[in-house]
Amino acid sequence: GQNIDQPTEMTATEGAIVQINCTYQTSGFNGLFWYQQHAGEAPTFLSYNVLDGLEEKGRFSSFLSRSKGYSYLLLKELQMKDSASYLCAVSPDFNKFYFGSGTKLNVKP
Amino acid sequence: DAGVTQSPTHLIKTRGQQVTLRCSPKSGHDTVSWYQQALGQGPQFIFQYYEEEERQRGNFPDRFSGHQFPNYSSELNVNALLLGDSALYLCASSLYGSSTDTQYFGPGTRLTVL
Repeated sequence: GQNIDQPTEMTATEGAIVQINCTYQTSGFNGLFWYQQHAGEAPTFLSYNVLDGLEEKGRFSSFLSRSKGYSYLLLKELQMKDSASYLCAVSPDFNKFYFGSGTKLNVKP
Repeated sequence: DAGVTQSPTHLIKTRGQQVTLRCSPKSGHDTVSWYQQALGQGPQFIFQYYEEEERQRGNFPDRFSGHQFPNYSSELNVNALLLGDSALYLCASSLYGSSTDTQYFGPGTRLTVL
């Protein structure tokens, strides 16, 4: 089976840095994705990792360690609009995706 | 450039009824995947269509079926609705064969089963 774990909820302060972790156990691996989902809206793509290491994209960075089945999403210079759920998704097979339950991030002033 | 569109936005049905949800993929995309997202949970993969055939399927009963049309749009059908089918149904489109391209999600259809 497929298993993807993330913390349920996190709280951080505006301007700070927060790291959201994701661990996974899947039957195969074709890439790991992070999505942002605001309440009542569709998920929007943030980042993609297929090789080990850090991918940086503006205020957002994502790290992957395939041997450890581990990834994290790093958000810098937090803004109030970053309050949302962050979904970790693994593609174990071509064009197939499994999502974690999501981490609800609360950004406080 | 039109993104992924879904209809209807909201839907209320009663137990035992049948429902059909519709999705039009992003321009240039040929693959449609359907997900069920219960409140407070991540999306759960239902199935995926490419070239008018079901290519992948998640752990959902046969009550969930689908179709893809020659213009790449897709329908999700759910028969014999149960209370537990109440959820947000998301459609995502992608380009088959692209290893790095992600999926783009539509706004979803909120289904309530009474």
